[in-house]
Amino acid sequence: EDQVTQSPEALRLQEGESSSLNCSYTVSGLRGLFWYRQDPGKGPEFLFTLYSAGEEKEKERLKATLTKKESFLHITAPKPEDSATYLCAVQLTGGGNKLTFGTGTQLKVEL
Amino acid sequence: KAGVTQTPRYLIKTRGQQVTLSCSPISGHRSVSWYQQTPGQGLQFLFEYFSETQRNKGNFPGRFSGRQFSNSRSEMNVSTLELGDSALYLCASSLQLGNVGNEQFFGPGTRLTVL
Repeated sequence: EDQVTQSPEALRLQEGESSSLNCSYTVSGLRGLFWYRQDPGKGPEFLFTLYSAGEEKEKERLKATLTKKESFLHITAPKPEDSATYLCAVQLTGGGNKLTFGTGTQLKVEL
Repeated sequence: KAGVTQTPRYLIKTRGQQVTLSCSPISGHRSVSWYQQTPGQGLQFLFEYFSETQRNKGNFPGRFSGRQFSNSRSEMNVSTLELGDSALYLCASSLQLGNVGNEQFFGPGTRLTVL
């Protein structure tokens, strides 16, 4: 069975304290891995898509990487406005646009 | 470019009633997917439409149905509502179906409360 596991479930950081979020997956055939950010009461906001092991993408303080078994979302010098739930999702070969989501990491960045 | 729009944003219904939710994708996008988000189960795939045809379906009972119109707008319907159907219903829009480089963008969701 295809599975996506995110860790940690929750993370509290001080402003400026860099860290990484993990998304590990066990799937039959990976087409792409997606990262989203979701604020309370809102829809997920697209961040990155990664397609092959070794691929990296960056956006402001965020950098996503992909291996054959997991993906990391690195947050460098976070600010309070980075507080949100970060969701990882996989798209499978032959699965159309269907995304299978992990349960998310709730990030809180404090002053 | 306008994003994905969903209407209504909030809805309160009672058990046994039915409900219809609407989604307008980003202009030019032809694929629409629906998801249910609850605190206990997270985000779960309901179904996906492309060119007015259902292309993929998740593990939900037949009370959940949908359709897509020629202008790519989509509706989903839930009949005989149950308390457990209370959730945030999200619509995602993408340009094509399942191709590499096919990013998916979510709308703000419809918050359904069943009493």
